[in-house]
Amino acid sequence: DAGVTQSPTHLIKTRGQHVTLRCSPISGHKSVSWYQQVLGQGPQFIFQYYEKEERGRGNFPDRFSARQFPNYSSELNVNALLLGDSALYLCASSLELFRSGANVLTFGAGSRLTVL
Amino acid sequence: GESVGLHLPTLSVQEGDNSIINCAYSNSASDYFIWYKQESGKGPQFIIDIRSNMDKRQGQRVTVLLNKTVKHLSLQIAATQPGDSAVYFCAEGLTGGGNKLTFGTGTQLKVEL
Repeated sequence: DAGVTQSPTHLIKTRGQHVTLRCSPISGHKSVSWYQQVLGQGPQFIFQYYEKEERGRGNFPDRFSARQFPNYSSELNVNALLLGDSALYLCASSLELFRSGANVLTFGAGSRLTVL
Repeated sequence: GESVGLHLPTLSVQEGDNSIINCAYSNSASDYFIWYKQESGKGPQFIIDIRSNMDKRQGQRVTVLLNKTVKHLSLQIAATQPGDSAVYFCAEGLTGGGNKLTFGTGTQLKVEL
């Protein structure tokens, strides 16, 4: 079975440009979350979506936006790129939103964004 | 792929020894804790989790210990193997918080032959 797939795997942009990153969750998973991982640090929560609705947002500027489509795939958009946006962007999916039981998040391999 | 563990604390162990990786978590209200393993060029991979109503949970070759009094979490790996070499992250979450996890800074585990 395919895991969480992300595209592109690597990309290089210049300051001021925008970028769109894509994620396909595991089949049957309804929730997608996005995390940013700067080199040498742990992942930081950006967004989570469930059933096409935003269900949480981390401490990131409005330049970051996302959406989830009817097939549960998701896009992360970043506008007006800054050098500090260079990072590995991870998408994770889960069957449901974690509430009262263990709900394993499965991560993709990420999209490595370099901003020059 | 690029090294995830750049400038992270490093634990070096001999193959076959037991490894103990420690983590201090930040939110005393967190009630769900997870350990992830991340190899170079890959996303974090679930290892084991524990809820706050437990203080110990065992998996295959791994044990997680939770001390809520001092907000401390540890991962014990028995009979460490070369394939265990990776960066290990603890993460904390909250019931009702959905899938929002707060990750620690990570520890690079190096297994020496």
